[in-house]
Amino acid sequence: DAGVIQSPRHEVTEMGQEVTLRCKPISGHDYLFWYRQTMMRGLELLIYFNNNVPIDDSGMPEDRFSAKMPNASFSTLKIQPSEPRDSAVYFCASSFFPGQGEKLFFGSGTQLSVL
Amino acid sequence: QKEVEQDPGPLSVPEGAIVSLNCTYSNSAFQYFMWYRQYSRKGPELLMYTYSSGNKEDGRFTAQVDKSSKYISLFIRDSQPSDSATYLCAMSMYSSASKIIFGSGTRLSIRP
Repeated sequence: DAGVIQSPRHEVTEMGQEVTLRCKPISGHDYLFWYRQTMMRGLELLIYFNNNVPIDDSGMPEDRFSAKMPNASFSTLKIQPSEPRDSAVYFCASSFFPGQGEKLFFGSGTQLSVL
Repeated sequence: QKEVEQDPGPLSVPEGAIVSLNCTYSNSAFQYFMWYRQYSRKGPELLMYTYSSGNKEDGRFTAQVDKSSKYISLFIRDSQPSDSATYLCAMSMYSSASKIIFGSGTRLSIRP
């Protein structure tokens, strides 16, 4: 299996622009998570899906952030408009529950820089 | 106060040394304890997983949980340069990946 695939690996954009991050989870995993990692705040859960349905989006910082999962093999995280404080590494992770509910499989992340 | 506290390091030790990484936590309801390893420019990967108190060993790695002290540790024996990474402790109340709380991570460097 190729693991969790994220694109792009790096994104540099200007303040005010729309940013779309993409994720392909591991086939057969029914949970998908979006995390953000910064030096100051560490790894933070933004939102997670179960069977393509958003379950908990309480970690989404504000209305500028939105996430979708149109099918079991694809999810997007969109920031519109982007701001410099959104600069971070964004990780997508997937999991299969039950059985491995505590094990998250992470992608390699998207390094986002908002200028 | 954060629910999970972890010394950010960096921690630098010579090859072959025993490494001790630690986390403290405040929520006594945590029952599931994990250690994730994160190499530079990569996502975290699960290294060790334990339930409740006690020790668990896997090769050169030993995870220890002391719930009475709200303290968890990861020991690495015979450390290798390939162990150089950031180590994140993580814990949850439920056997569900949706409720995992991560520590901020400790950067570890093993000197050849």
